[in-house]
Amino acid sequence: DIVMTQSPDSLAVSLGERATINCKSSRTVLYSSNNKNYLAWYQQKPGQPPKVLISWASTRESGVPDRFSGSGSGTDFTLTISSLQAEDVAVYYCQQYYTSLITFGQGTRLEIK
Amino acid sequence: QVQLQQSGPGLVKPSQTLSLTCVISGDSVSSNSAAWNWIRQSPSRGLEWLGRTYYRSKWYNDYAEFVKSRITINPDTSKNQFSLQLNSVTPEDTAVYYCARGGLRGCSSGGCSIYWFDPWGQGTLVTVSS
Repeated sequence: DIVMTQSPDSLAVSLGERATINCKSSRTVLYSSNNKNYLAWYQQKPGQPPKVLISWASTRESGVPDRFSGSGSGTDFTLTISSLQAEDVAVYYCQQYYTSLITFGQGTRLEIK
Repeated sequence: QVQLQQSGPGLVKPSQTLSLTCVISGDSVSSNSAAWNWIRQSPSRGLEWLGRTYYRSKWYNDYAEFVKSRITINPDTSKNQFSLQLNSVTPEDTAVYYCARGGLRGCSSGGCSIYWFDPWGQGTLVTVSS
């Protein structure tokens, strides 16, 4: 199984400031044949299911604000919120779909400082 | 757009069977481009993919190794839904259970893998307790 490890476990950021969440996979999720990283990011607000924000490590899903961006390749990835808004308070998860056995990171709780 | 609506009991006794149903609207359980998944979430174990069913000329089922001996996921084409059965439950199976759609990829004669999950059902908190 590919183990996904996120850091930090929790994060407090002031409104309007940048938030950065990291995700590391135990082995590469980059397919050399198409040069794509098989990694997605989700946002989960209280009482709701996770919602996909980013696929292919850096492609924003339709309707996702452009303050959310994803970067990284291979085994190391980052989700960045460029200017934190109150509605961004949530738990964020990374997920690999490189292998048939899908695995998630443990989550990063983002709060307002 | 695709929507998933879950139903099922929120309380199951130890050693009994957990049963949940997910009704699909806006897509077909027999779609040849989607897999229908069950995922659970608990504070101690986080998000865990449990298994999926999908149709590619025939029906396929894939299950996570840690529940493989206890789980069954069945499609119901007449009602456009799919179900989860988890046998011999213990308190460790207490969790919020979600159904979710995953796009199929990498298909071969042996089956397919999937992409990310979108959309998800609303979630069902299942508590295993006597």
